[in-house]
Amino acid sequence: SQQGEEDPQALSIQEGENATMNCSYKTSINNLQWYRQNSGRGLVHLILIRSNEREKHSGRLRVTLDTSKKSSSLLITASRAADTASYFCATAQTGANNLFFGTGTRLTVIP
Amino acid sequence: DTGVSQDPRHKITKRGQNVTFRCDPISEHNRLYWYRQTLGQGPEFLTYFQNEAQLEKSRLLSDRFSAERPKGSFSTLEIQRTEQGDSAMYLCASSPTFASGATYEQYFGPGTRLTVT
Repeated sequence: SQQGEEDPQALSIQEGENATMNCSYKTSINNLQWYRQNSGRGLVHLILIRSNEREKHSGRLRVTLDTSKKSSSLLITASRAADTASYFCATAQTGANNLFFGTGTRLTVIP
Repeated sequence: DTGVSQDPRHKITKRGQNVTFRCDPISEHNRLYWYRQTLGQGPEFLTYFQNEAQLEKSRLLSDRFSAERPKGSFSTLEIQRTEQGDSAMYLCASSPTFASGATYEQYFGPGTRLTVT
């Protein structure tokens, strides 16, 4: 079963705008990761934030983590048409060897 | 290209047939995972290998599913007596092992899309 829920399920924005997507999870985690998936392809790792971190940046990506609320957000700034994809959060739970993925947010960036 | 590769990329089979998928992980990675993804959903964990040892299996992995990693390198996932509900994308991922034992970034292959008619 999916461990995380993402919000919104779909998001459509104009090129240049910022995109924010949220993830909620249920259990204690070691870290939380965000992945991107282009249609019909494999997943690509974007960024990882550890449970003792609150915010992390990588290029145009900014991730926040609130372990008290069991939630995370991914912000993509100055979006591009090439950012069009599905974005998934994945949690590395304490004591587990695999990742638990959310249901994903489908982002469409309109040129 | 030294990424994770999967073969075949697409497989169409008739219900009741057996199918086998192959995954070649990044060579220095000793952890290998199989996930299943259905349309509109995130990947769901199936099974995990540490070198050649299969250490964990999801309850999603019914008796009709079997996975091997005979020499700790490539892995195969076999589905026997396929059912229409097996139609999905089957994803393989690999990662190195860290001293902490925690799960970090996983590197995914392009997936094998299975269609059972």
